[in-house]
Amino acid sequence: QVQLVQSGAEVKKPGSSMKVSCKASGGTFSSYGINWVRQAPGQGLEWMGGIIPIFGTANYAQKFQGRVTITADKSTSTAYMELSSLRSEDTAVYYCARVNDYGATGRFDYWGQGTLVTVSS
Amino acid sequence: SYELTQPPSVSVSPGQTASITCSGDKLGDKYACWYQQKPGQSPVLVIYQDSKRPSGIPERFSGSNSGNTATLTISGTQAMDEADYYCQAWDRSTYVFGTGTKVTVL
Repeated sequence: QVQLVQSGAEVKKPGSSMKVSCKASGGTFSSYGINWVRQAPGQGLEWMGGIIPIFGTANYAQKFQGRVTITADKSTSTAYMELSSLRSEDTAVYYCARVNDYGATGRFDYWGQGTLVTVSS
Repeated sequence: SYELTQPPSVSVSPGQTASITCSGDKLGDKYACWYQQKPGQSPVLVIYQDSKRPSGIPERFSGSNSGNTATLTISGTQAMDEADYYCQAWDRSTYVFGTGTKVTVL
């Protein structure tokens, strides 16, 4: 049974950075994509980017280019998402999700429990 | 950038059929997925590759995709199906989610 366990809630100051972790268990970590999706309060789902650990190259949504960095540590089966220059609009629940069949046939088949990040002065 | 548009809300009576649409330019040329999200919970995949159901998803969930519209159909809707539903597709190396539809079972 695949499980994705994320790090805990955080409160950040505007202008600072955040880094959320996502530890995978129960599956082959390196072969599947791990992607990050966020959801602002009362809003919809927004894809941020993802990485396939076996390849190591990340792909980002244009909106977050230059501000987000997604990495993966194969030795610990853990993916990370770092977002910089935080502003209040970045307050959201951040989810990691495993992508089965990356690309056009890709689907997010397992999700983490979500990490609430609040950006406030 | 590519956009997927869904109706904000759909209401359905228990036992009846709910249809949720997802519109995007030439969406029928892509694969559509659907996710169910209940309050305070992570999304759950209910349909992938237009019409396939993951293991454990009830048969009352079905999907289709043609032209500019993908549709999620819930037959014999139950109270437990009340949730937000999101479509998703892949366009030019980007995953795109729909705007979301709140399904209310009256």
